[in-house]
Amino acid sequence: DTAVSQTPKYLVTQMGNDKSIKCEQNLGHDTMYWYKQDSKKFLKIMFSYNNKELIINETVPNRFSPKSPDKAHLNLHINSLELGDSAVYFCASSQDLVKNEQFFGPGTRLTVL
Amino acid sequence: AQKITQTQPGMFVQEKEAVTLDCTYDTSDPSYGLFWYKQPSSGEMIFLIYQGSYDQQNATEGRYSLNFQKARKSANLVISASQLGDSAMYFCAMRGGSGAGSYQLTFGKGTKLSVIP
Repeated sequence: DTAVSQTPKYLVTQMGNDKSIKCEQNLGHDTMYWYKQDSKKFLKIMFSYNNKELIINETVPNRFSPKSPDKAHLNLHINSLELGDSAVYFCASSQDLVKNEQFFGPGTRLTVL
Repeated sequence: AQKITQTQPGMFVQEKEAVTLDCTYDTSDPSYGLFWYKQPSSGEMIFLIYQGSYDQQNATEGRYSLNFQKARKSANLVISASQLGDSAMYFCAMRGGSGAGSYQLTFGKGTKLSVIP
């Protein structure tokens, strides 16, 4: 069984569109995250969500909004997509805040044309 | 602010040899955790090993060991007996700080390891 799953795996869209990426974890974890990996492979945290508390990275444009319908899901909505949004987006989750081993989803490759 | 530095953009190692991937970090927090992740060409992120700042012994997981030198703020990953399947990007990461942001990971830029047959 997949621990952290993301859909879709690939997403190709036009500039200006609004899109969503879904993430689900079946590990019973309390904390979920979204990371962005750019073309140079650099991974950067975007959001973390712990027991209904959202921690926003201030460098993330407000066109990006995470939504958590329940503890097992953290979806990422992106409005008015721009060329620079093209990247691989990873969802992750963790249970233990002390050890903080994070389990990553397979990633979603977003291409904005 | 926390910072992770991986100075080796790429490394080559002969199959069956050991290799060390460098990682240095900077933090003012007394409590932190250090992680290594592997990202093969297929793109998934695979957790390898963890070291807590208060752990007395260096972490080991199979062929992976972490050479933790707290005074030097380094957390190098040692892979013994390299295999072709070890070819991948390797990321060092750190968790630290206080409050709600303490469980976020800060990643280094990664090292691309290539294992030569």
